[in-house]
Amino acid sequence: DAGVTQSPTHLIKTRGQQVTLRCSPISGHKSVSWYQQVLGQGPQFIFQYYEKEERGRGNFPDRFSARQFPNYSSELNVNALLLGDSALYLCASSPRTGANTEAFFGQGTRLTVV
Amino acid sequence: GESVGLHLPTLSVQEGDNSIINCAYSNSASDYFIWYKQESGKGPQFIIDIRSNMDKRQGQRVTVLLNKTVKHLSLQIAATQPGDSAVYFCAENHKGAQKLVFGQGTRLTINP
Repeated sequence: DAGVTQSPTHLIKTRGQQVTLRCSPISGHKSVSWYQQVLGQGPQFIFQYYEKEERGRGNFPDRFSARQFPNYSSELNVNALLLGDSALYLCASSPRTGANTEAFFGQGTRLTVV
Repeated sequence: GESVGLHLPTLSVQEGDNSIINCAYSNSASDYFIWYKQESGKGPQFIIDIRSNMDKRQGQRVTVLLNKTVKHLSLQIAATQPGDSAVYFCAENHKGAQKLVFGQGTRLTINP
């Protein structure tokens, strides 16, 4: 069974540019969440989407946006990149929304902003 | 506020010994907890979870203990193997929230 897949695996961008990261959840899972993991720290919540609707948003600036498609895949978009946006971006897939729900992570996209 | 912290940033154990990784949480509303294992260059891997109506849950070679009185969570790994080397994170979720809150992580290293 395919797990959570993310693309690309690595990406290098210049300050001020825009980036789009993609995620395909586990088959049958309808919820996708995005996390940012800076080196040496735990993941920080950015967004959660369920049935194409935003269900949660973390403490990130409006430069960060996301959407979920009818097939439950998702994109994370970051505009006007800053050096501090360099991180591992993780997508987590869950069968449903709400508390007490297992979340399974993909391998992540390593974004480097130069 | 919400926070999940770990008592030790690093833990070194002998191969074959048992490992115990600890985690403290501050949000009394937290009612669901997950332990993740993250190897270098990979995403967090789900190990085991526990709900607040339980004190203990066992998996294959792993046991999670939850002490709600002192807001403490631990992960026990039996007969630690070289493949257990990784950073371990505890994460919490509380009723009504749509997110997991992670701690900083504990790096587990195995001595031969």
